[in-house]
Amino acid sequence: DVKVTQSSRYLVKRTGEKVFLECVQDMDHENMFWYRQDPGLGLRLIYFSYDVKMKEKGDIPEGYSVSREKKERFSLILESASTNQTSMYLCASAYGQGGETQYFGPGTRLLVL
Amino acid sequence: GNSVTQMEGPVTLSEEAFLTINCTYTATGYPSLFWYVQYPGEGLQLLLKATKADDKGSNKGFEATYRKETTSFHLEKGSVQVSDSAVYFCAFLYNAGNMLTFGGGTRLMVKP
Repeated sequence: DVKVTQSSRYLVKRTGEKVFLECVQDMDHENMFWYRQDPGLGLRLIYFSYDVKMKEKGDIPEGYSVSREKKERFSLILESASTNQTSMYLCASAYGQGGETQYFGPGTRLLVL
Repeated sequence: GNSVTQMEGPVTLSEEAFLTINCTYTATGYPSLFWYVQYPGEGLQLLLKATKADDKGSNKGFEATYRKETTSFHLEKGSVQVSDSAVYFCAFLYNAGNMLTFGGGTRLMVKP
């Protein structure tokens, strides 16, 4: 079974803090993704990575950055957290070829005060 | 642009009722279609998928058929259980691409 894990289930941070969300997958997938999930908006793609040190912007990259130093790990960084970044963050991974099923982690619920 | 439209929830049903959650998409070409399910407090799990027209995806009693002519992928189950209470997301993915496009999700509540 594919396993995607995220470093925290719940996180509370203050406005202006730097926040790191980490995601690890154990299936040697080339592609990894960060989404945020908000009520009524479904999931929106923030960034994805198709290889180590490679990244592509998704639909809503503003206010976020990412890091992929190792194949199994994909980090989402909020340089200066703001209250409008309070959300559920979901990581996913998939094999490198196009059209492959994405497998999701359990999510991190972030509250920015 | 490309998009997925799902019926808005919540959908509230009694146990053993028939379920339909509508999903239509707007996209060029012929993407792969997915239903994901999110149980309370958890991440998304793949429920079923279909990769070409007229394919039927099925899992855990749920079914959905890829209808090219109506650009739809409606989710159905003949007899829901309380344990099916969750949020259901329809999504599509181009066969050569890596970016899933999701609908807004539909919350299903099944009462005993």
